[in-house]
This record gives sequence, C-alpha cells and structure tokens, in this order.
Amino acid sequence: ETGVTQTPRHLVMGMTNKKSLKCEQHLGHNAMYWYKQSAKKPLELMFVYNFKEQTENNSVPSRFSPECPNSSHLFLHLHTLQPEDSALYLCASSVTSGHRGGDTQYFGPGTRLTVL
Amino acid sequence: GQQLNQSPQSMFIQEGEDVSMNCTSSSIFNTWLWYKQDPGEGPVLLIALYKAGELTSNGRLTAQFGITRKDSFLNISASIPSDVGIYFCAGYYGGATNKLIFGTGTLLAVQP
Repeated sequence: ETGVTQTPRHLVMGMTNKKSLKCEQHLGHNAMYWYKQSAKKPLELMFVYNFKEQTENNSVPSRFSPECPNSSHLFLHLHTLQPEDSALYLCASSVTSGHRGGDTQYFGPGTRLTVL
Repeated sequence: GQQLNQSPQSMFIQEGEDVSMNCTSSSIFNTWLWYKQDPGEGPVLLIALYKAGELTSNGRLTAQFGITRKDSFLNISASIPSDVGIYFCAGYYGGATNKLIFGTGTLLAVQP
C-alpha cells in the first residue's frame, strides 16, 4: 500500500468510447503525475501537476485529457483512443515537482487499459 | 533526451544467490531511485539516494550513488523467490524540466 490508489484497475474500451481513469493520493503531496508504461519501453511521463496546475505536458495527443481538481485527485479522460494506446497507465505523487529535484515519487497500482 | 542504461536486461538465478544490477548515464544525476515492480502492479520504491558516494541499505538490498554521479548500482543478497519482479532505476538529472528519468528495467527470476 503506497498511499496512491487508482481506479479502475482494468479497463477495456472501444475506439469510440469515452472513459476516465481516477487517481487519489492520501499522502498530503502536492504534485501528481500520469505515466504510460508499454511493453519493453521505459515509463513515459505524460503529465505533471503541481499544486493543481499543469506544469508538464510531454507532447501527449489531445485524445488524453487530464484534470486535477485538487492536490489529492487526478483524472485522465480518454476519448477516441487507438489500439496502440493500450498500456498500463500509472499515477504517481510527490511532495512537490519543483526544480530543486529529488522529490521521490510514489506510484499507484496502475490501470491496465485495452483499446479494441 | 536523457537515457538511463540499465543492465542486465534480465537475470535468472538460484535462490540464495546474490544479485547485482546497475544503471549508467552520460549526464550527471542529482538523485537516484530504485523501484521494484511486480506483475500487474505499480513500481514500489526500494531505496532513494541523494548524495554522491551514498551507500544505503534496506534489508537485503543495498544501493550506492556513484562518485561520478553518473551511475548507481543495486545489490540483493541471498535472493528469495519473492524477489522476482522488474527492477527499475530512476533519477533526476536537473536541467530545464527536472524530469524523473527511468531505466528500461531488469527482470529478475529466482529459481527455488
């Protein structure tokens, strides 16, 4: 139990569906992250939020839309995805994501997404 | 972009053996982290290193922050079957965005 929860754990969706992934952290952190993990590739950072403000969008296609209503919750809204978007989507949090660095990130269990 | 070269890619060992894996970079890093990921789960932090030369243990695990700040290693002593999983190194190298960069992982299999 890392203090970061994600729902759902598994999701199967069609290319025309709209779905959302949810992440919640109970650690009192101020920064939250979305990562994509595909087979045989390093974790890819997608988005960073610091104090509810988006500070990083790593050239992610617009069919992925993040939302951070407060420092404890992070959503990833999905629409018109492609089969190649199938992957494990991981949420993480840290104290801050400031430029001083060194803020250890704690990960949730991930959502295994399959796009048909 | 920045890359972390992690080796070996996979290891198949007998229970009780010691394990060593490492991570290298062409750039200087100011933090090194080691994570373990079990199948179907997210990475779990094992050890965090913040200073060059730092040697830190967590049970049977020991990790070191290289003196040059461009490498780190993780040792596991007396491996047991539950050590099975993928081990990732990760680090902050600073720069403009200060992103956490991940290695490609080392798959560890332990034969009872």
